[in-house]
Amino acid sequence: DTAVSQTPKYLVTQMGNDKSIKCEQNLGHDTMYWYKQDSKKFLKIMFSYNNKELIINETVPNRFSPKSPDKAHLNLHINSLELGDSAVYFCASSQVASMSDGYTFGSGTRLTVV
Amino acid sequence: AQSVTQLDSQVPVFEEAPVELRCNYSSSVSVYLFWYVQYPNQGLQLLLKYLSGSTLVESINGFEAEFNKSQTSFHLRKPSVHISDTAEYFCAVSRYSGGYQKVTFGTGTKLQVIP
Repeated sequence: DTAVSQTPKYLVTQMGNDKSIKCEQNLGHDTMYWYKQDSKKFLKIMFSYNNKELIINETVPNRFSPKSPDKAHLNLHINSLELGDSAVYFCASSQVASMSDGYTFGSGTRLTVV
Repeated sequence: AQSVTQLDSQVPVFEEAPVELRCNYSSSVSVYLFWYVQYPNQGLQLLLKYLSGSTLVESINGFEAEFNKSQTSFHLRKPSVHISDTAEYFCAVSRYSGGYQKVTFGTGTKLQVIP
């Protein structure tokens, strides 16, 4: 019954590789997000999609490419991974018309680049 | 523009003692205010929220937060903490911008409950 699920939970990979993280929500929300949390726990918005349309695209390297095949899924593909990409990546979802409900977060994907 | 400041990065407190985690915000328009909790190796969970009405809001696990408009604060308090309250706590503000939600998170406060 997981509301927002991310896979994989852990990802260890070498520099230069390409990897993807997947996110799915079963809440019927119309908006999904990717956040990056660094080692100091700072949360930084990366992307946001509303009904498959990109609405937030913060200053993120072009190596990061989100893709939303439908409003229940938001994937993140990362090319040419670098050491600095190591972090925990969180997917979240919300309903724009119900912003008072806040966000629902996934449990995170811990990416370690070696 | 909006911003959130959590003044304390870490707050150690003994078990059964009271605690206050501070949050100040700035915004030129009305906002909704939230506290999220992140337990170790987990995602963020909504703890409580202020939308309007009574300035004191409560969560089911004994936390409360008070909205103070004049001081632009939304401090989180608990009269008696438990070991299980050890976690990272994030304050957040949310408003509409261009038809969408714009949420700004604070930098987090790590609450460490000491036995």
